[in-house]
Amino acid sequence: QPVLTQSSSASASLGSSVKITCTLASGHSGYIIAWHHQQPGKAPRYLMKLEGSGSFNKGSGVPDRFSGSGSGADRYLTISNLQSEDEADYYCETWDTKVRVFGGGTKLTVL
Amino acid sequence: EVQLVESGGDLVQPGGSLRLSCAASGFSFSSYGMTWVRQAPGKGLEWVSSISGSGGSTHYADSVKGRFTISRDNSKNTLYLQMNSLRAEDTAVYYCAKVQSAAGTDFWGQGTLVTVSS
Repeated sequence: QPVLTQSSSASASLGSSVKITCTLASGHSGYIIAWHHQQPGKAPRYLMKLEGSGSFNKGSGVPDRFSGSGSGADRYLTISNLQSEDEADYYCETWDTKVRVFGGGTKLTVL
Repeated sequence: EVQLVESGGDLVQPGGSLRLSCAASGFSFSSYGMTWVRQAPGKGLEWVSSISGSGGSTHYADSVKGRFTISRDNSKNTLYLQMNSLRAEDTAVYYCAKVQSAAGTDFWGQGTLVTVSS
């Protein structure tokens, strides 16, 4: 079954950019992943899907500041022009025919 | 507008049972797979179970296999999770979510809290 690895934390300054990484385990580098974020005390929200080619499709209403990239095992979520409301936990997700898997989450602090 | 509204969360004793419901609206419910994901206090997201649009295919995480049963009533646009033999480690907020084939879990409910404690 697929496994996803994320750094536990990241930080960046207001108005700057940050890149959050999600790594697929060996043998699963072609999998599609999805990115979600979860603001404090709220339910998760879908941001985008990111294919193995590096192309991404965002969910409805997701700001242009959010983008995805990366091919192979390492996939990235980049947030530009960081806002205070971007301070949240960010999770990647993947799946196969039988299971869904989430990464451990990255806590983003906006300085 | 897509809406998912969970209900049924409660305080239950170890070994007890609980049934969660998720009322869906704003999309063609029977056309989409659905999933339950939980989040223990202060922890990350953990997939629990998924079901196909027809209800004919179900899958479970090893941690709940044999104890939890996912089902759906497409005539009522409602998803269920029957939880038996509950343990303290099942304490979590349970989210129901819509699955977009090849795009991931693309919409989440607001969650319902299950607390297993004596």
